[in-house]
Parts: sequence; C-alpha cells; structure tokens
Amino acid sequence: GNSVTQMEGPVTLSEEAFLTINCTYTATGYPSLFWYVQYPGEGLQLLLKATKADDKGSNKGFEATYRKETTSFHLEKGSVQVSDSAVYFCALSRWGSQGNLIFGKGTKLSVKP
Amino acid sequence: DAGVTQSPTHLIKTRGQQVTLRCSPKSGHDTVSWYQQALGQGPQFIFQYYEEEERQRGNFPDRFSGHQFPNYSSELNVNALLLGDSALYLCASSPLVGGPNEQFFGPGTRLTVL
Repeated sequence: GNSVTQMEGPVTLSEEAFLTINCTYTATGYPSLFWYVQYPGEGLQLLLKATKADDKGSNKGFEATYRKETTSFHLEKGSVQVSDSAVYFCALSRWGSQGNLIFGKGTKLSVKP
Repeated sequence: DAGVTQSPTHLIKTRGQQVTLRCSPKSGHDTVSWYQQALGQGPQFIFQYYEEEERQRGNFPDRFSGHQFPNYSSELNVNALLLGDSALYLCASSPLVGGPNEQFFGPGTRLTVL
C-alpha cells in the first residue's frame, strides 16, 4: 500500500544551522508529494509540493526535490530561524492536491537562539 | 476570508456516547475532507465529501459517518465512542475545480473520550 516514512524527531538545532528532514515514500503510480507544517496551536499549512519526478518545491527558504529513483522527498533549509520551530509532515496523494493525503508521523523541530 | 472553521474546539465524551463535529469550508471551496490525528501521529484520512456525497473513504469503521450540506459545510459523526477515538479531528477544504490546487486545514476539534 501507499505509505510515508519520515525521520524520527525531535530535532533540535541552533539558529542559522542547516536543516534536513528525511522523507521516503512507497506508492504505486506517480503520486504528488507535499510538506505540511503545523505551528503550535495552529492547523496544518501547506509548505511546498511537487507533482512529478525531478520537480523542486520551494517556499520560505525551504525546498525539497521529488526523487523517483530513491523514492524520496527530503526537506532542506540552509539557515533555520527560531520561528521555524514546528512539526513538519511529509505527505503523498495519488490523486493530486485534492485527493486524500497520506501523512508521515511528523518531525518536531525546535530551533534555539 | 475566515478560512476553514471547526466547532467545537474541545469536546469531552464518555465511552459509548455519540459525537458530532462541524466544519465550514473556506469561501469558494466545495470539497471537504476529514482526518483523525492521534497524539504524536500524522493525520489519517477518514473520508471526503463533494456535492453532498461521500467520494472517498479511508480505513475507518462504519461508526464514522458524515454529511455535507448544500452550503458545503460538513459534519462528522462518531457513534459508540471508544477510548481510541480520542484525537484531534481535522477538516480540510479544497476547490474541486479551479482555484489554488491545495487543501486548506482548519485548527481542529480535540476530542477526549473517557
């Protein structure tokens, strides 16, 4: 079946450090891939997405590349800020952005000043 | 634009009871999806409604049912509550055609079953 595996947290970084959160997926066909972010006390927000192999999604300094050969969609940011502290979820959908989303378990990121 | 709204914010029920959660989609959206997020886990898809009909369903028992109204708002009903139903219930809306190709999530309803 379809599934998403992402690295366990929590991840604690100092401000301006480099961030990588690993995400791999299992799916039939060609799913769309997403990163969502959940700030404390708020709902999930779409951070970025990619709909086909080799696409790079980017937003707010975060980026992720859809790698079909390694079935991966790792999230990266060159310099994190305290305001990036949140829980990050990798997700896939076989039916585009409006189809049902399959999420990973989430990775909590804490950034210290 | 109010975005996706959900009510109530928190709810406490006892085992065996029934609960109804409500969701109003973002303006211009006609499709509503419901997700269950257990503590420390990622959200799991329950079902999706469009044109007042259930279009897709995840791996949840029949105790979970829903409804969509002509104004696109939606309800999630859970019967015969179990302790394991304690979770954050998220509603997401999207336009089936046109508009941003994205699901927008509400803040959720925290359900506690005692």
